[in-house]
Amino acid sequence: AQSVAQPEDQVNVAEGNPLTVKCTYSVSGNPYLFWYVQYPNRGLQFLLKYITGDNLVKGSYGFEAEFNKSQTSFHLKKPSALVSDSALYFCAGQNSGYSTLTFGKGTMLLVSP
Amino acid sequence: NAGVTQTPKFRILKIGQSMTLQCTQDMNHNYMYWYRQDPGMGLKLIYYSVGAGITDKGEVPNGYNVSRSTTEDFPLRLELAAPSQTSVYFCASRQWVGTEQPQHFGDGTRLSIL
Repeated sequence: AQSVAQPEDQVNVAEGNPLTVKCTYSVSGNPYLFWYVQYPNRGLQFLLKYITGDNLVKGSYGFEAEFNKSQTSFHLKKPSALVSDSALYFCAGQNSGYSTLTFGKGTMLLVSP
Repeated sequence: NAGVTQTPKFRILKIGQSMTLQCTQDMNHNYMYWYRQDPGMGLKLIYYSVGAGITDKGEVPNGYNVSRSTTEDFPLRLELAAPSQTSVYFCASRQWVGTEQPQHFGDGTRLSIL
């Protein structure tokens, strides 16, 4: 069975500071991992993905994520947070042989001015 | 450049009523998905389809039905609405080529059952 955990319900950070949103996974075989962002009253938007290759993945809006196989983690990072980054962030994963994604419960990111 | 379109955006139903949530995509994606989102619970997969005429159950299929007669459309049917089905429903699609393609989401249908 696949599972994805986001241990923090909410992350608070000041504008200009670095941010990290945590994600751990339990996916058999080779994992495919994704980050999505959701703004109020909108659907999820794709940010970035890890399939294979470099452990540091760069995505949209200056976000990046680090894949760590030994710690089974895929944390989302950004060097300098913006107020406009405030949103709900979802980590998701799947086994390479699956057709479906398993989502974490989501982490609310609040960036204060 | 519509992407995934869901209708209606909002709906209030009475217990026992039925309705169909519509989803259509214009990207010629073979895979389509229905999720429900409840506060603090993430997204739960209801049903999915890998192509026209092929559907399969997800994690929480009870109380729902789907059909996929065309590549573009993937409607979700609630036959006997129950308060537990109050939720936000999202439809998504992705390309056929490889399992690594991201899903594209509609903006959701907010459903209340009273």
